[in-house]
Amino acid sequence: KAGVTQTPRYLIKTRGQQVTLSCSPISGHRSVSWYQQTPGQGLQFLFEYFSETQRNKGNFPGRFSGRQFSNSRSEMNVSTLELGDSALYLCASSLGTASPGSGYTFGSGTRLTVV
Amino acid sequence: AQSVTQLDSQVPVFEEAPVELRCNYSSSVSVYLFWYVQYPNQGLQLLLKYLSGSTLVESINGFEAEFNKSQTSFHLRKPSVHISDTAEYFCAVRRGGGGSYIPTFGRGTSLIVHP
Repeated sequence: KAGVTQTPRYLIKTRGQQVTLSCSPISGHRSVSWYQQTPGQGLQFLFEYFSETQRNKGNFPGRFSGRQFSNSRSEMNVSTLELGDSALYLCASSLGTASPGSGYTFGSGTRLTVV
Repeated sequence: AQSVTQLDSQVPVFEEAPVELRCNYSSSVSVYLFWYVQYPNQGLQLLLKYLSGSTLVESINGFEAEFNKSQTSFHLRKPSVHISDTAEYFCAVRRGGGGSYIPTFGRGTSLIVHP
């Protein structure tokens, strides 16, 4: 079956702009989580969606937002980009609480560079 | 709250030598434990997991990890590494049982296999 698809793979934006990243989870997975990965901070949890509802949120400013659609696809948006937002953004899908020990399936990520 | 410590940020080793990547966690409740691997320019892939039962778990590519409750550790080992094992390895802990709990990831250990 198809894996987790993230688009675009690479993105270059200018400070102050906004960006939208997309994630299509594995078919049947209703939970989508987003992580920011940087060399200095490692993997930082952004938020988790399940059945179109945000269930958990990490410690990021309000410039970071997300949503999930009825087909489980998810988007995250970052407004007023800062240089420090440059990172690899990873999407992870899972079955959610129905199978808490199943672990995540990650996409290949979107590499965002802010200049 | 839970936390994960990966004791080594980088582990260099020669091909065909054994390797151990160390992971310690802290949690006041039962946990699920995971190891993920990340190859360059890719997302994380689930390598193996401990949920319950036998404390020794194995992956299909020769890695194994042992859950040690008394030492709160979940070290990853391989008796003979290959060049292709060069990657970043992440240990993760999640609160056990059902419910919407977010896993906590370690900072990662870079395994570098030299010929």
